[in-house]
Amino acid sequence: NAGVTQTPKFQVLKTGQSMTLQCAQDMNHEYMSWYRQDPGMGLRLIHYSVGAGITDQGEVPNGYNVSRSTTEDFPLRLLSAAPSQTSVYFCASTEASGIGGELFFGEGSRLTVL
Amino acid sequence: ELKVEQNPLFLSMQEGKNYTIYCNYSTTSDRLYWYRQDPGKSLESLFVLLSNGAVKQEGRLMASLDTKARLSTLHITAAVHDLSATYFCAVVLINDMRFGAGTRLTVKP
Repeated sequence: NAGVTQTPKFQVLKTGQSMTLQCAQDMNHEYMSWYRQDPGMGLRLIHYSVGAGITDQGEVPNGYNVSRSTTEDFPLRLLSAAPSQTSVYFCASTEASGIGGELFFGEGSRLTVL
Repeated sequence: ELKVEQNPLFLSMQEGKNYTIYCNYSTTSDRLYWYRQDPGKSLESLFVLLSNGAVKQEGRLMASLDTKARLSTLHITAAVHDLSATYFCAVVLINDMRFGAGTRLTVKP
């Protein structure tokens, strides 16, 4: 089973460039989310979605956009990258509409903004 | 606002010793998770604790939850090198899961 798949695994951007981190899950999960992980700060929620067509902001949403056109996909867009967005990004999903069950994580995407 | 505090943040143990990691949180929640992360890897779910007094055990790890004290503990018994990793607690608040900063555990021979 593929589970939660993130691409790319590594990316280097210049300040001001845009890019999209892709996330796909094949478990028919309603809930999907994006986290960023920075040293000494655990994981912080950026955006989440409780189903296709529904998204909402998490703890640190500024500088990021999301959309959820299908149950399977939940891309994260950086419109104008900044060095402060250098981080490791994790996508996660769970079958419940809220976080009622186990959260399954992707392998992570390491982003460096120069 | 929900805050989750873990301590210690760094823990170096000798093999065979016991130790406890603490997770305190600031707002009522009835669901707490413990995760393990190896360097450069994703997060692996260890335990989900759903109610006051809940206790879960897997091998040398045992987790407990006291919702009245807003405290969870992860107890390590007779540590072995394979337990070296970073451990996170995470508390659920509706659609948000808030993580502690993590405890980096190193088990030395």
